[in-house]
Amino acid sequence: QVQLQESGPGLVKPSETLSLTCTVSGGSISNYYWSWIRQPAGKGLEWIGRIYSYGSTNYNPSLKSRVTMSVDTSKNQFSLKLSSVAAADTAVYYCTRGAPSTHWGQGTLVTVSS
Amino acid sequence: EIVLTQSPGTLSLSPGERATLSCRASQSVSHNYLAWYQQKPGQAPRLLIYGASSRATGIPDRFSGSGSGTDFTLTISRLEPEDFAVYHCQQYSSSLLTFGGGTKVEIK
Repeated sequence: QVQLQESGPGLVKPSETLSLTCTVSGGSISNYYWSWIRQPAGKGLEWIGRIYSYGSTNYNPSLKSRVTMSVDTSKNQFSLKLSSVAAADTAVYYCTRGAPSTHWGQGTLVTVSS
Repeated sequence: EIVLTQSPGTLSLSPGERATLSCRASQSVSHNYLAWYQQKPGQAPRLLIYGASSRATGIPDRFSGSGSGTDFTLTISRLEPEDFAVYHCQQYSSSLLTFGGGTKVEIK
């Protein structure tokens, strides 16, 4: 069965770039949308954006100027970069497959703090 | 951007009771591309309903979705202890996907 696993630093300094990778196992990364979604503690879900396996992207306009997503089909991975982070970017970050999201990673907490 | 408003914010019910959750969109959700997710503390959300009314794989039939256009409903016919959780709606009809604020179903 398909599994997703987020990886990356759990602590990022303000103004720096948050970088996360999602590794997909049990299935191919091809022919699907892959999304990043985040959730600050005690709050709702925020869709960050998505990338199709062939590389086309859609980003949330509220984050678009700071977001870059990429996909590496040879490694069955896709990635998120969020630049110029601030405390408001502290959240659990999830990677997911599909629209709607049928498969989710377990989530990774990223804290922005000096 | 399609804004989704969920109500109520919190629903206090007893096991065995019926739960009715609402998700209202600021504009019509084309193709009824509306999904519902369940989230328990410390866990990732789980897809329950897609296309407004289709149950995802493995979801019990006590969960049902209905609605079209701008008004959607998730109904849990008889609450089981494991159903007490937060429920999120999401529209995926546009290139900007959005979520509602969530409804918490708590034990009364």
